[in-house]
Amino acid sequence: EDKVVQSPLSLVVHEGDTVTLNCSYEVTNFRSLLWYKQEKKAPTFLFMLTSSGIEKKSGRLSSILDKKELFSILNITATQTGDSAVYLCAPIGGSWGKLQFGAGTQVVVTP
Amino acid sequence: KAGVTQTPRYLIKTRGQQVTLSCSPISGHRSVSWYQQTPGQGLQFLFEYFSETQRNKGNFPGRFSGRQFSNSRSEMNVSTLELGDSALYLCASSSGTQENIQYFGAGTRLSVL
Repeated sequence: EDKVVQSPLSLVVHEGDTVTLNCSYEVTNFRSLLWYKQEKKAPTFLFMLTSSGIEKKSGRLSSILDKKELFSILNITATQTGDSAVYLCAPIGGSWGKLQFGAGTQVVVTP
Repeated sequence: KAGVTQTPRYLIKTRGQQVTLSCSPISGHRSVSWYQQTPGQGLQFLFEYFSETQRNKGNFPGRFSGRQFSNSRSEMNVSTLELGDSALYLCASSSGTQENIQYFGAGTRLSVL
């Protein structure tokens, strides 16, 4: 059965800190992995990772995938209060249209 | 381009009733996936439709059903509502290939009393 584990489940940091979020997965016929940010409502897309070892960056956020060890990391540097959200990872496997989400990591950034 | 639109945004129903939720995908997207989100279970996949055909289904009882129209709009129906059906129902659209990114609507918050 497919399995996605995110850690930590929650963390509280001060503005300016760096956070590292982890996502490990076991998914049949793995194709790629998506990261989303969810504030109050709809998850919004952050990154798609398909190739191992290639870092994707967008501003202060970056992410990398290790297909051999079956995990991904999302980093947020110089955190701001607007980064407070739940971050979700979702590997894409061989199942049409289905994202297998982890439980998410709740990030709270305090001023 | 307009995003994914879900209606209604909020619904309050009583046990035993049925409900229909609607999802309009991003223009040009042919795949619509539905998810249920609850605090205890997180985001769980309900089903996916592509070109009016259900291609995939999650582990939910038969009370949960859906359909897709020729314009790719999709509806989800829940019959004989139970208290445990209270959740945020999200739909997501994509172009339909395996690697494609799913874009989510704002969701429908269903409360069953």
